[in-house]
Amino acid sequence: QLQLQESGPGLVKPSETLSLTCTVSGGSISSSSYYWGWIRQPPGKGLEWIGSIYYSGSTYYNPSLKSRVTISVDTSKNQFSLKLSSVTAADTAVYYCARHVVDWDASDIWGQGTVVTVSS
Amino acid sequence: QSALTQPPSASGSPGQSVTISCTGTSSDVGGYNYVSWYQQHPGKAPKLMIYEVTKRPSGVPDRFSGSKSGNTASLTVSGLQAEDEADYYCSSYAGSYNHWVFGGGTKLTVL
Repeated sequence: QLQLQESGPGLVKPSETLSLTCTVSGGSISSSSYYWGWIRQPPGKGLEWIGSIYYSGSTYYNPSLKSRVTISVDTSKNQFSLKLSSVTAADTAVYYCARHVVDWDASDIWGQGTVVTVSS
Repeated sequence: QSALTQPPSASGSPGQSVTISCTGTSSDVGGYNYVSWYQQHPGKAPKLMIYEVTKRPSGVPDRFSGSKSGNTASLTVSGLQAEDEADYYCSSYAGSYNHWVFGGGTKLTVL
């Protein structure tokens, strides 16, 4: 059973860079059938797609966040990572990593989510 | 403001049917058959319920069904059960620039 697990600091200072890693277990990240993505949910609000990456390294970003986002993949560790720079309080959210099925254009497996608070 | 528009709330009694709408544009919902629906219980990760407008992943009850007409997609939950009470989000492929957009979510209450 494939599982995803987010990890990283739960508290980030304003203007600094948020860094999260998603570890994939029970399956390989190097599959042509999937993208690997990040989605966030501010407290009490809806879901927002941040971006996705293919195992080859091709990336796709939300245009509204593109200038601040970098997503990378490490196939040797079966991990992919998110960096979001120049954070503000508006970036406080639960951050989810997810597997996105290419043929379905839908995310079928999600991590449990990790809370990131931006505060001094 | 979310790219796709959903009603903030919906409700129904056990056994009844309820339909949740998701309105977009010809650049997302209306332009592609890549609408999906997610169920989210409080404090939990979203769960995929419908993909490609009408298809159900393995394990999702057939009480959940999806459809689309023009720029509006719909999720219908038939035979409502207490455990269906949750937030529901639609999403759609939105082309090579925006890629993937979500609706604002609908809170479904089982009365």
